[in-house]
Amino acid sequence: AQTVTQSQPEMSVQEAETVTLSCTYDTSESDYYLFWYKQPPSRQMILVIRQEAYKQQNATENRFSVNFQKAAKSFSLKISDSQLGDAAMYFCAYRSARWGGGADGLTFGKGTHLIIQP
Amino acid sequence: SQTIHQWPATLVQPVGSPLSLECTVEGTSNPNLYWYRQAAGRGLQLLFYSVGIGQISSEVPQNLSASRPQDRQFILSSKKLLLSDSGFYLCAWSSLAQYEQYFGPGTRLTVT
Repeated sequence: AQTVTQSQPEMSVQEAETVTLSCTYDTSESDYYLFWYKQPPSRQMILVIRQEAYKQQNATENRFSVNFQKAAKSFSLKISDSQLGDAAMYFCAYRSARWGGGADGLTFGKGTHLIIQP
Repeated sequence: SQTIHQWPATLVQPVGSPLSLECTVEGTSNPNLYWYRQAAGRGLQLLFYSVGIGQISSEVPQNLSASRPQDRQFILSSKKLLLSDSGFYLCAWSSLAQYEQYFGPGTRLTVT
Protein backbone atom coordinates (compact mmCIF):
# COMPACT_ATOMS: atom_id res chain seq x y z
CA ALA A 1 0.00 0.00 0.00
CA GLN A 2 1.11 3.51 -0.71
CA THR A 3 1.80 6.01 2.04
CA VAL A 4 2.23 9.77 1.94
CA THR A 5 4.12 11.65 4.64
CA GLN A 6 4.09 15.37 5.33
CA SER A 7 6.60 16.01 8.09
CA GLN A 8 5.75 19.66 8.71
CA PRO A 9 2.52 20.02 10.71
CA GLU A 10 2.78 23.80 10.50
CA MET A 11 4.78 26.37 8.53
CA SER A 12 4.85 30.14 8.79
CA VAL A 13 6.04 32.64 6.19
CA GLN A 14 6.05 36.39 5.76
CA GLU A 15 3.79 37.81 3.12
CA ALA A 16 5.58 38.14 -0.27
CA GLU A 17 8.24 35.61 0.67
CA THR A 18 8.73 32.06 -0.61
CA VAL A 19 7.89 28.90 1.30
CA THR A 20 8.43 25.22 0.53
CA LEU A 21 6.21 22.45 1.85
CA SER A 22 7.64 18.94 1.98
CA CYS A 23 6.08 15.64 1.00
CA THR A 24 7.52 12.16 0.68
CA TYR A 25 5.74 9.03 -0.43
CA ASP A 26 6.32 5.33 -0.55
CA THR A 27 5.25 3.15 -3.47
CA SER A 28 6.43 0.18 -5.47
CA GLU A 29 4.74 1.45 -8.62
CA SER A 30 6.54 3.27 -11.40
CA ASP A 31 3.58 5.11 -12.87
CA TYR A 32 1.46 7.36 -10.72
CA TYR A 33 0.23 10.89 -10.17
CA LEU A 34 0.94 13.31 -7.38
CA PHE A 35 -1.14 16.28 -6.31
CA TRP A 36 -1.17 19.19 -3.94
CA TYR A 37 -4.55 20.26 -2.61
CA LYS A 38 -5.36 23.37 -0.61
CA GLN A 39 -8.02 23.38 2.10
CA PRO A 40 -8.90 26.93 3.24
CA PRO A 41 -11.05 27.62 6.32
CA SER A 42 -14.16 26.88 4.22
CA ARG A 43 -12.78 23.29 4.14
CA GLN A 44 -13.44 22.71 0.46
CA MET A 45 -10.49 20.90 -1.12
CA ILE A 46 -9.03 22.80 -4.05
CA LEU A 47 -6.60 21.29 -6.53
CA VAL A 48 -3.42 23.36 -6.68
CA ILE A 49 -1.11 21.39 -8.95
CA ARG A 50 -0.54 17.91 -10.37
CA GLN A 51 2.52 15.99 -11.49
CA GLU A 52 2.71 12.90 -13.66
CA ALA A 53 5.47 10.54 -12.54
CA TYR A 54 6.58 9.83 -16.12
CA LYS A 55 7.31 13.51 -16.71
CA GLN A 56 10.72 14.77 -15.66
CA GLN A 57 9.72 18.40 -15.94
CA ASN A 58 8.41 19.91 -12.75
CA ALA A 59 4.85 21.23 -12.90
CA THR A 60 4.18 24.94 -12.48
CA GLU A 61 0.95 26.87 -11.97
CA ASN A 62 1.53 30.60 -11.63
CA ARG A 63 3.14 31.14 -8.19
CA PHE A 64 3.02 27.43 -7.36
CA SER A 65 5.67 24.98 -8.49
CA VAL A 66 6.86 21.55 -7.45
CA ASN A 67 10.20 19.88 -7.04
CA PHE A 68 9.60 16.27 -8.04
CA GLN A 69 12.44 13.87 -7.23
CA LYS A 70 11.24 10.44 -8.34
CA ALA A 71 14.24 8.46 -7.14
CA ALA A 72 14.01 10.06 -3.71
CA LYS A 73 10.19 9.80 -3.73
CA SER A 74 9.95 13.43 -2.82
CA PHE A 75 7.37 15.97 -4.00
CA SER A 76 7.67 19.43 -2.48
CA LEU A 77 5.52 22.46 -3.18
CA LYS A 78 7.04 25.92 -3.52
CA ILE A 79 4.83 28.96 -3.13
CA SER A 80 6.42 32.17 -4.37
CA ASP A 81 5.34 35.69 -3.42
CA SER A 82 3.11 34.36 -0.63
CA GLN A 83 -0.24 36.08 -0.26
CA LEU A 84 -2.65 36.22 2.66
CA GLY A 85 -5.10 34.14 0.64
CA ASP A 86 -2.58 31.29 0.56
CA ALA A 87 -3.18 30.61 4.25
CA ALA A 88 -4.69 27.12 4.43
CA MET A 89 -4.02 23.45 5.07
CA TYR A 90 -2.06 21.90 2.23
CA PHE A 91 -2.35 18.21 1.48
CA CYS A 92 -0.08 16.09 -0.66
CA ALA A 93 -1.84 13.19 -2.41
CA TYR A 94 -0.92 10.12 -4.46
CA ARG A 95 -2.87 8.19 -7.03
CA SER A 96 -1.91 5.07 -8.94
CA ALA A 97 -1.90 5.24 -12.73
CA ARG A 98 -2.29 1.50 -13.28
CA TRP A 99 -5.27 0.30 -15.28
CA GLY A 100 -8.22 0.19 -12.92
CA GLY A 101 -6.15 2.01 -10.34
CA GLY A 102 -7.51 5.26 -11.63
CA ALA A 103 -10.86 4.36 -10.13
CA ASP A 104 -9.33 4.12 -6.69
CA GLY A 105 -9.19 7.05 -4.36
CA LEU A 106 -6.37 9.37 -3.50
CA THR A 107 -3.98 8.61 -0.65
CA PHE A 108 -3.44 11.76 1.39
CA GLY A 109 -0.80 12.97 3.80
CA LYS A 110 -1.89 14.50 7.08
CA GLY A 111 -1.40 18.03 5.87
CA THR A 112 0.65 21.12 6.60
CA HIS A 113 -0.97 24.20 8.10
CA LEU A 114 0.45 27.25 6.32
CA ILE A 115 0.32 30.57 8.13
CA ILE A 116 0.99 33.81 6.27
CA GLN A 117 2.33 36.63 8.44
CA PRO A 118 1.31 40.12 7.18
CA SER B 1 -18.44 23.52 -16.58
CA GLN B 2 -18.76 20.82 -13.96
CA THR B 3 -20.04 21.46 -10.47
CA ILE B 4 -20.50 19.22 -7.47
CA HIS B 5 -23.04 19.73 -4.73
CA GLN B 6 -23.38 18.27 -1.28
CA TRP B 7 -26.11 18.59 1.29
CA PRO B 8 -26.73 19.21 4.00
CA ALA B 9 -23.79 21.48 4.81
CA THR B 10 -24.07 20.83 8.53
CA LEU B 11 -25.82 18.09 10.46
CA VAL B 12 -26.16 17.27 14.15
CA GLN B 13 -27.58 13.83 14.87
CA PRO B 14 -27.98 11.75 18.04
CA VAL B 15 -26.27 8.40 18.44
CA GLY B 16 -28.34 5.62 16.94
CA SER B 17 -30.16 7.79 14.44
CA PRO B 18 -30.04 7.19 10.66
CA LEU B 19 -27.97 9.21 8.20
CA SER B 20 -28.32 10.22 4.59
CA LEU B 21 -25.84 12.53 2.87
CA GLU B 22 -26.30 13.36 -0.78
CA CYS B 23 -23.86 14.34 -3.50
CA THR B 24 -24.68 15.29 -7.07
CA VAL B 25 -22.49 16.26 -9.99
CA GLU B 26 -23.50 18.46 -12.91
CA GLY B 27 -21.94 19.00 -16.29
CA THR B 28 -20.43 15.56 -16.85
CA SER B 29 -21.59 12.01 -17.44
CA ASN B 30 -20.41 8.67 -16.09
CA PRO B 31 -18.07 10.15 -13.49
CA ASN B 32 -16.16 8.17 -10.90
CA LEU B 33 -17.54 9.18 -7.52
CA TYR B 34 -15.95 9.07 -4.08
CA TRP B 35 -16.81 9.55 -0.41
CA TYR B 36 -14.05 10.63 1.98
CA ARG B 37 -14.07 11.37 5.69
CA GLN B 38 -11.80 13.84 7.41
CA ALA B 39 -11.49 13.55 11.17
CA ALA B 40 -10.38 16.59 13.14
CA GLY B 41 -6.74 17.49 12.43
CA ARG B 42 -6.21 14.60 10.05
CA GLY B 43 -6.02 13.87 6.36
CA LEU B 44 -8.73 12.38 4.24
CA GLN B 45 -9.71 8.73 4.40
CA LEU B 46 -11.41 7.11 1.42
CA LEU B 47 -14.66 5.42 2.40
CA PHE B 48 -16.33 4.39 -0.86
CA TYR B 49 -15.89 4.79 -4.59
CA SER B 50 -18.12 4.07 -7.54
CA VAL B 51 -17.37 3.67 -11.24
CA GLY B 52 -21.01 3.38 -12.33
CA ILE B 53 -24.64 3.08 -11.30
CA GLY B 54 -25.05 0.42 -8.65
CA GLN B 55 -21.29 -0.25 -8.50
CA ILE B 56 -19.89 0.51 -5.06
CA SER B 57 -16.51 -0.42 -3.61
CA SER B 58 -15.85 -0.09 0.11
CA GLU B 59 -12.43 0.73 1.46
CA VAL B 60 -13.08 0.70 5.19
CA PRO B 61 -15.37 -1.71 7.10
CA GLN B 62 -17.83 0.30 9.15
CA ASN B 63 -21.49 0.96 9.77
CA LEU B 64 -21.71 3.26 6.75
CA SER B 65 -22.94 2.33 3.31
CA ALA B 66 -23.10 4.05 -0.06
CA SER B 67 -25.42 3.88 -3.03
CA ARG B 68 -25.46 5.31 -6.54
CA PRO B 69 -29.05 5.28 -7.75
CA GLN B 70 -28.34 7.59 -10.70
CA ASP B 71 -25.31 8.33 -12.83
CA ARG B 72 -24.47 11.59 -11.10
CA GLN B 73 -25.88 10.95 -7.63
CA PHE B 74 -23.98 9.39 -4.75
CA ILE B 75 -25.50 8.81 -1.32
CA LEU B 76 -23.82 8.00 1.98
CA SER B 77 -26.03 6.31 4.57
CA SER B 78 -26.09 4.75 7.98
CA LYS B 79 -28.84 2.92 9.82
CA LYS B 80 -27.46 3.79 13.27
CA LEU B 81 -24.86 6.47 13.83
CA LEU B 82 -21.97 6.06 16.27
CA LEU B 83 -20.07 8.82 18.05
CA SER B 84 -17.03 7.86 15.97
CA ASP B 85 -18.92 8.76 12.78
CA SER B 86 -18.50 12.45 13.55
CA GLY B 87 -16.33 14.26 11.03
CA PHE B 88 -16.24 16.17 7.79
CA TYR B 89 -17.52 14.22 4.80
CA LEU B 90 -16.37 15.13 1.33
CA CYS B 91 -17.68 13.89 -1.98
CA ALA B 92 -15.44 13.99 -5.04
CA TRP B 93 -15.61 13.15 -8.72
CA SER B 94 -13.22 12.41 -11.52
CA SER B 95 -13.68 11.65 -15.18
CA LEU B 96 -12.46 8.51 -16.92
CA ALA B 97 -9.85 10.56 -18.76
CA GLN B 98 -8.23 12.23 -15.78
CA TYR B 99 -6.69 11.24 -12.48
CA GLU B 100 -7.27 14.35 -10.42
CA GLN B 101 -10.37 14.55 -8.30
CA TYR B 102 -12.61 17.53 -7.66
CA PHE B 103 -14.28 17.95 -4.33
CA GLY B 104 -17.63 19.22 -3.13
CA PRO B 105 -18.05 21.72 -0.29
CA GLY B 106 -18.44 18.96 2.32
CA THR B 107 -20.83 18.11 5.16
CA ARG B 108 -19.89 18.63 8.79
CA LEU B 109 -21.49 15.81 10.81
CA THR B 110 -21.63 15.89 14.59
CA VAL B 111 -22.99 12.85 16.38
CA THR B 112 -24.09 13.64 19.95
